[in-house]
Amino acid sequence: TQLLEQSPQFLSIQEGENLTVYCNSSSVFSSLQWYRQEPGEGPVLLVTVVTGGEVKKLKRLTFQFGDARKDSSLHITAAQPGDTGLYLCAGARNYGQNFVFGPGTRLSVLP
Amino acid sequence: AAGVIQSPRHLIKEKRETATLKCYPIPRHDTVYWYQQGPGQDPQFLISFYEKMQSDKGSIPDRFSAQQFSDYHSELNMSSLELGDSALYFCASRDRTYNEQFFGPGTRLTVL
Repeated sequence: TQLLEQSPQFLSIQEGENLTVYCNSSSVFSSLQWYRQEPGEGPVLLVTVVTGGEVKKLKRLTFQFGDARKDSSLHITAAQPGDTGLYLCAGARNYGQNFVFGPGTRLSVLP
Repeated sequence: AAGVIQSPRHLIKEKRETATLKCYPIPRHDTVYWYQQGPGQDPQFLISFYEKMQSDKGSIPDRFSAQQFSDYHSELNMSSLELGDSALYFCASRDRTYNEQFFGPGTRLTVL
């Protein structure tokens, strides 16, 4: 069983639409990270959230950490084809522990 | 800014051969992680090193071993390679201050 679940698994939208992807767990995490990965390349860190209820914005991307630090969401406003990729969430239950990954959401933004 | 460096980027081996993957973490990062990512899968944690000592172990096969050297670079040694070992292998290093990990570009290993 996966410690972190992500939904949806696949998402195909038109350019300009908004979307939200979710990362959920029954476990509490001390920190949670979101990555974007393109085929054959390493995941690129987008954001780290550590405080329950925290909201961080990165241009058109808004990240939220749940109050109980068990879940997170990534909202993209006015998606662009350049947003296409695999979005992975990864959490560390305690400081210094390895990060576990969710299965990812594969986003395709069509022009 | 310096990033995690991995070499080689691509490697082709025959079954039962050995392979060595290298990772050079970002300077002053204190932890190195190794991950394996199969096609269409998320990265699976293999092993990590904190200050040159093994700190955590994941789903690393007994045929694999790893170490971190005095200059902080790390090597993943893989022996008796199997077809199922074909995957992308990522190294990541951790910024202690923010507990963030940064990934290298990966090594694509193909076992024939």
